[in-house]
Amino acid sequence: GENVEQHPSTLSVQEGDSAVIKCTYSDSASNYFPWYKQELGKRPQLIIDIRSNVGEKKDQRIAVTLNKTAKHFSLHITETQPEDSAVYFCAASFNTNAGKSTFGDGTTLTVKP
Amino acid sequence: DAGVIQSPRHEVTEMGQEVTLRCKPISGHNSLFWYRQTMMRGLELLIYFNNNVPIDDSGMPEDRFSAKMPNASFSTLKIQPSEPRDSAVYFCASSDPGLAGAGSLSYNEQFFGPGTRLTVL
Repeated sequence: GENVEQHPSTLSVQEGDSAVIKCTYSDSASNYFPWYKQELGKRPQLIIDIRSNVGEKKDQRIAVTLNKTAKHFSLHITETQPEDSAVYFCAASFNTNAGKSTFGDGTTLTVKP
Repeated sequence: DAGVIQSPRHEVTEMGQEVTLRCKPISGHNSLFWYRQTMMRGLELLIYFNNNVPIDDSGMPEDRFSAKMPNASFSTLKIQPSEPRDSAVYFCASSDPGLAGAGSLSYNEQFFGPGTRLTVL
């Protein structure tokens, strides 16, 4: 089955700096890679995703990149703000497995004001 | 749409008691997932259903755990008997995988419910 590894497990940055979280996956058949943000005491929510037919996607201060050959994908947050502090999960899935996603272990991001 | 609905939001029970967690997925979604989240083990997939049929229950920790989905709008996760180590936040999520195998990438975003915080004393 699919295995997703996520690094680092914790990340602390100063407000205004950039943050990068990296994930690798094992199943070359995976073709959908979502990122979820979970604030303290809340549910995980999708913040951005990327499909295997593109290499990069941006949405304001966040961007994701995908390298299918190397089987890794990354989340980039620029100009970090205290409200970006949360746990971030990457995931990988394949479109014929009934929507199941394999999640990474999460990265706790702390943005210091 | 109200999103994924879970009940109860908080449950405190004593060891040995039966616990039933409930979930109503988003209307039209045909996949449903049960997760358990703890500090030690992170976010674990327990079981998931597609079109009300259990597809993979390999994450269910032991026979004390069982899950059902009698119809497209309701699912339960039951723990009997409960133990202190079952204390966790249990999330239900639903998704609409779309036209699997149709040659186009389906949309696998999962929509999570608010979770049930279970404490077993």
